[in-house]
Amino acid sequence: DAGVIQSPRHEVTEMGQEVTLRCKPISGHNSLFWYRQTMMRGLELLIYFNNNVPIDDSGMPEDRFSAKMPNASFSTLKIQPSEPRDSAVYFCASSTDMLYGYTFGSGTRLTVV
Amino acid sequence: TQLLEQSPQFLSIQEGENLTVYCNSSSVFSSLQWYRQEPGEGPVLLVTVVTGGEVKKLKRLTFQFGDARKDSSLHITAAQPGDTGLYLCAGDSAGNQFYFGTGTSLTVIP
Repeated sequence: DAGVIQSPRHEVTEMGQEVTLRCKPISGHNSLFWYRQTMMRGLELLIYFNNNVPIDDSGMPEDRFSAKMPNASFSTLKIQPSEPRDSAVYFCASSTDMLYGYTFGSGTRLTVV
Repeated sequence: TQLLEQSPQFLSIQEGENLTVYCNSSSVFSSLQWYRQEPGEGPVLLVTVVTGGEVKKLKRLTFQFGDARKDSSLHITAAQPGDTGLYLCAGDSAGNQFYFGTGTSLTVIP
């Protein structure tokens, strides 16, 4: 099992540009989570899906952020337009059962200049 | 959002020393998990505790869930440089997602 796969690992973009982060969850996991991690705010949940359906997007900062899960093996997190304060490490995680915990990807380090 | 506060925020110790980190909340949790995160990687699950008062051991790591299921501790015996990392607790109260704590950054000096 290759684990949760995120791409790209690093992204540097200019303010105002569109950024798309990608995630492939573990096969068979029915829940997928997008987190953002910063020194100041720690690990924050942005949105999570269950069986490809968005369940809770209350953590999405504002309308500039959107997430999709068109099928069980792929999800995207899009920021448009990007701003310097969006700079952070973005993690995708998947799970099959809460008690087994989350399996995290290696993250995407986003820098908006 | 249910706040999980961890202490200390930073900890630097010599190899061979013992340490304890704490995870506290005013909320009651159905279950609580501990993760370790190494630089450049995502958090990795260490343990899940579900019963108030429960104690679990994982080699040199001992995890305890408070009787009231509002707090937890992680004790490491004879710390090694490989224990270096960010330790995160995460609590579940509603059965649909985990809320992560603020984290304890541990550095073990050889």
